[in-house]
Amino acid sequence: NAGVTQTPKFRVLKTGQSMTLLCAQDMNHEYMYWYRQDPGMGLRLIHYSVGEGTTAKGEVPDGYNVSRLKKQNFLLGLESAAPSQTSVYFCASSYPSLRGNSNQPQHFGDGTRLSIL
Amino acid sequence: RKEVEQDPGPFNVPEGATVAFNCTYSNSASQSFFWYRQDCRKEPKLLMSVYSSGNEDGRFTAQLNRASQYISLLIRDSKLSDSATYLCVVGPSSNTGKLIFGQGTTLQVKP
Repeated sequence: NAGVTQTPKFRVLKTGQSMTLLCAQDMNHEYMYWYRQDPGMGLRLIHYSVGEGTTAKGEVPDGYNVSRLKKQNFLLGLESAAPSQTSVYFCASSYPSLRGNSNQPQHFGDGTRLSIL
Repeated sequence: RKEVEQDPGPFNVPEGATVAFNCTYSNSASQSFFWYRQDCRKEPKLLMSVYSSGNEDGRFTAQLNRASQYISLLIRDSKLSDSATYLCVVGPSSNTGKLIFGQGTTLQVKP
């Protein structure tokens, strides 16, 4: 049982290049999330998905796109990388909110460290 | 005002000490509360959920005060291995599962 798996673990890009970060979970979680974490900023939500085929914008969506074609996978794309996107990216997943909209804890992958030169 | 606020620390304590972290949240309609632990350059991991009546897990005790919109984490008999950043996490009432993470409080336990 791997939990949440992110690939790649590390990547260095040049400004303007594109890439896709892959998140896969084997816990049959309905909800998935992409965050970025920068020093002094805490975790900020980029995009999220409440089910296969659905995605929504989070707090900092600009410059990123996502897709959830399969329940277990959530892809984060950078179409034209910029130095401001240098960060650590975390994927997380969770079960749906309980009745009364009480949210479940999220389970995280071990992160992708991305540097844009 | 940030949605979830924590004292960033660092808190430097000797082994065996008792240390308490506090957190305040701004959304009075919040429904769910957690403490996460994050080691340097690692992913956040769930430490414990926080229930209205307060709850304990070994050396860790979490309390919630809804009236004051305040959450606390108490660590007794600190170990070197407790050194980490502790994230206060609040779930606003929603059907999206979204959680709001505090910036974290850093704890250093010294021999």
